[in-house]
Amino acid sequence: DTEVTQTPKHLVMGMTNKKSLKCEQHMGHRAMYWYKQKAKKPPELMFVYSYEKLSINESVPSRFSPECPNSSLLNLHLHALQPEDSALYLCASSHLWGAQETQYFGPGTRLLVL
Amino acid sequence: SQQGEEDPQALSIQEGENATMNCSYKTSINNLQWYRQNSGRGLVHLILIRSNEREKHSGRLRVTLDTSKKSSSLLITASRAADTASYFCATDVWGAQKLVFGQGTRLTINP
Repeated sequence: DTEVTQTPKHLVMGMTNKKSLKCEQHMGHRAMYWYKQKAKKPPELMFVYSYEKLSINESVPSRFSPECPNSSLLNLHLHALQPEDSALYLCASSHLWGAQETQYFGPGTRLLVL
Repeated sequence: SQQGEEDPQALSIQEGENATMNCSYKTSINNLQWYRQNSGRGLVHLILIRSNEREKHSGRLRVTLDTSKKSSSLLITASRAADTASYFCATDVWGAQKLVFGQGTRLTINP
């Protein structure tokens, strides 16, 4: 299985809602990533987990809260988001954490904040 | 600041022609990767070239790296409609163990 899955595919939420994005991989990868991508822009790194420990937080606002319950799962909890947070949220994984590693991306969750 | 900058921003060619995209970066790198993204979907890894390599091939893809000019190019030969996508270069950030993606080139292959 060389797939990274993400749910939901689409999400519409109000600014007062709490929601979660889910990412799963069964490739035995020990590094997992969250990226944010605005339209016609490159992905921007948000968080990196290595061996289920948070290794990089790119100064992301606290309304985004990542969680890595086990080596296969990565969640992104959302609370009190702003309309400018609307974007495609991509999850990725790699065998190990490192810039020389190939990253495998999921299809993304398209988020709209109203 | 963005590590990689790509040009052209958009490229439209006829099926069967070759497509060349360029990536320039600012600081020293250990490796450079190229990824493809079909509209609104996840990225797919194409190729990785290390700083001590000058050229690499994978099927119809040819990547070059010139560390003295801090630039890389991706050549797709005999293009197909299915090659229509955005192409991103990604460079490592020294000591930070993360990839930074360039602005991307939107490639359109016309049948």
